[in-house]
Amino acid sequence: EAGVTQFPSHSVIEKGQTVTLRCDPISGHDNLYWYRRVMGKEIKFLLHFVKESKQDESGMPNNRFLAERTGGTYSTLKVQPAELEDSGVYFCASSQDWVRGRAEAFFGQGTRLTVV
Amino acid sequence: GNSVTQMEGPVTLSEEAFLTINCTYTATGYPSLFWYVQYPGEGLQLLLKATKADDKGSNKGFEATYRKETTSFHLEKGSVQVSDSAVYFCALSNNQGGKLIFGQGTELSVKP
Repeated sequence: EAGVTQFPSHSVIEKGQTVTLRCDPISGHDNLYWYRRVMGKEIKFLLHFVKESKQDESGMPNNRFLAERTGGTYSTLKVQPAELEDSGVYFCASSQDWVRGRAEAFFGQGTRLTVV
Repeated sequence: GNSVTQMEGPVTLSEEAFLTINCTYTATGYPSLFWYVQYPGEGLQLLLKATKADDKGSNKGFEATYRKETTSFHLEKGSVQVSDSAVYFCALSNNQGGKLIFGQGTELSVKP
């Protein structure tokens, strides 16, 4: 069974440009999450989809970030326009129903974004 | 609000040394607690978890006990190997939707 896959693995863009990150969750996982780790700090939650609906987007830093999950399958995270402080590693994760005792989130390898 | 604090790294140990990585949390209610590990060049992997007070999670020789009285979930291993070199993240979930709150990560380097 394929795990969570993210594209691209690395991206270097100039300030002001647009970048789109993609995440393919594990098949059948309704829950999809985006996280970000900046400059070796803690991994911070960005948002949570349940199927195609945004369940919680409290961690999105500002309106330059747009996440979508068309048809409840893969998800994209667009940054437009990118700023220097957006540099970091963006992780995607997916899970089945989150039930205490069986809960587990499966993470992708991450996309390392560098804005210069 | 909910938060997780880990001991700062990097931590450098010799092979077969004892490892402790401290983790404390602040949370309302009864969170589930996790340790994730990121090996070089790979994504995050769940190492172990505990879902209620006094539970002990264990995997690959690592252990952590959910201590509600001290709000801690310290990671321990009796004898580390070079292959344990990685970044370790402590995390909690309030079990409402699966959102995880992470600590800042602790880099472990094990020398032969």
